[in-house]
Amino acid sequence: KAGVTQTPRYLIKTRGQQVTLSCSPISGHRSVSWYQQTPGQGLQFLFEYFSETQRNKGNFPGRFSGRQFSNSRSEMNVSTLELGDSALYLCASSLMSSPYNEQFFGPGTRLTVL
Amino acid sequence: GQQLNQSPQSMFIQEGEDVSMNCTSSSIFNTWLWYKQDPGEGPVLLIALYKAGELTSNGRLTAQFGITRKDSFLNISASIPSDVGIYFCAGPSSGNTGKLIFGQGTTLQVKP
Repeated sequence: KAGVTQTPRYLIKTRGQQVTLSCSPISGHRSVSWYQQTPGQGLQFLFEYFSETQRNKGNFPGRFSGRQFSNSRSEMNVSTLELGDSALYLCASSLMSSPYNEQFFGPGTRLTVL
Repeated sequence: GQQLNQSPQSMFIQEGEDVSMNCTSSSIFNTWLWYKQDPGEGPVLLIALYKAGELTSNGRLTAQFGITRKDSFLNISASIPSDVGIYFCAGPSSGNTGKLIFGQGTTLQVKP
């Protein structure tokens, strides 16, 4: 079974631009969660999608948004990029939206904002 | 809010040594997950624990879910160079589906 895939793996953008990151979950998994990882803050939860609906959202500004498609693939978008948005963005999938399910992570997208 | 505290923050050991790291919280967690992250990659799930007192092994790795449900430890026996990486404990946020709370991580370095 293929794992979680994320594209692109690396991105370089400049301040003020916007970016879209893509995540394909493990086949059959319907829940996709997104995290931001930085050296200073560690792994921080962005949001979770299940059956095309955002079920939960972390403490990030409205510039961070996402969506999920009917095939469970998910995208996240960051508008008006700031230097502090430079981070590794990880998505994770699980079978269903449940606090007991393990989450399986993709390799991440490394975003650098100049 | 819920927090997970991992210790030690980093470890530098000789190949072949055993390693122990732990994770504590002031809140109860119903699940404990242990992940390993290699540089530039996403975390990989090593062990999942669901019941207080549960002891689970995965090869040279052993993890236990504390009786109070407020702590967990991970042991690695006979370490090898490929054990190098960052180890994270994680648990589901109460009332927030799809959200995991992560510890700060324990960085492990193994000297051949």
